[in-house]
Amino acid sequence: DAKTTQPTSMDCAEGRAANLPCNHSTISGNEYVYWYRQIHSQGPQYIIHGLKNNETNEMASLIITEDRKSSTLILPHATLRDTAVYYCIVRVGGFTGTASKLTFGTGTRLQVTL
Amino acid sequence: KAGVTQTPRYLIKTRGQQVTLSCSPISGHRSVSWYQQTPGQGLQFLFEYFSETQRNKGNFPGRFSGRQFSNSRSEMNVSTLELGDSALYLCASSSEPDRGTDTQYFGPGTRLTVL
Repeated sequence: DAKTTQPTSMDCAEGRAANLPCNHSTISGNEYVYWYRQIHSQGPQYIIHGLKNNETNEMASLIITEDRKSSTLILPHATLRDTAVYYCIVRVGGFTGTASKLTFGTGTRLQVTL
Repeated sequence: KAGVTQTPRYLIKTRGQQVTLSCSPISGHRSVSWYQQTPGQGLQFLFEYFSETQRNKGNFPGRFSGRQFSNSRSEMNVSTLELGDSALYLCASSSEPDRGTDTQYFGPGTRLTVL
């Protein structure tokens, strides 16, 4: 799976949009970008995933650049409860016996403040 | 649907003992994966079970083992505990693990402390 690079930490004011970048310059054509977050000592929570088109759900938006070498997770109106470590993961798509393995990096620690 | 459940939530053991952790996947999910999370190594993949068979294994010693039952519930066992085994053990389930776009859902974890 492709390696990802994320900033170690970011701050965001409550009510503002939080934009979390991820670099995955070695991504392959069949690899998807996944985002999870982990609130202190809880299990990781799935947020969103995408291949090449921008995606949006009730939690967030995922913007993937045209060359797919980077992406941005957007939390449109951050709240204190969004304070967490956010992980960007690149994962092979399609039918493969190793698809179940998620490779987590160190993630970005997002601190939302008043 | 109920989420992934893990028992116990907290556990304290001493070196040399063994421990068994349990995971109940989301109803209908047949794949269960286990991860270990420590401050030093982060989140690392342990192994995955599907239809009672271990299909993938991470780079962990043989003291770490697991199994899956016919109802998809899974257990992992750590024998001869070492201090370094102190960690948060996470279980994740998915419905179609062979599809790379399938989503894994995590449980709350079991916090193991080895004294």
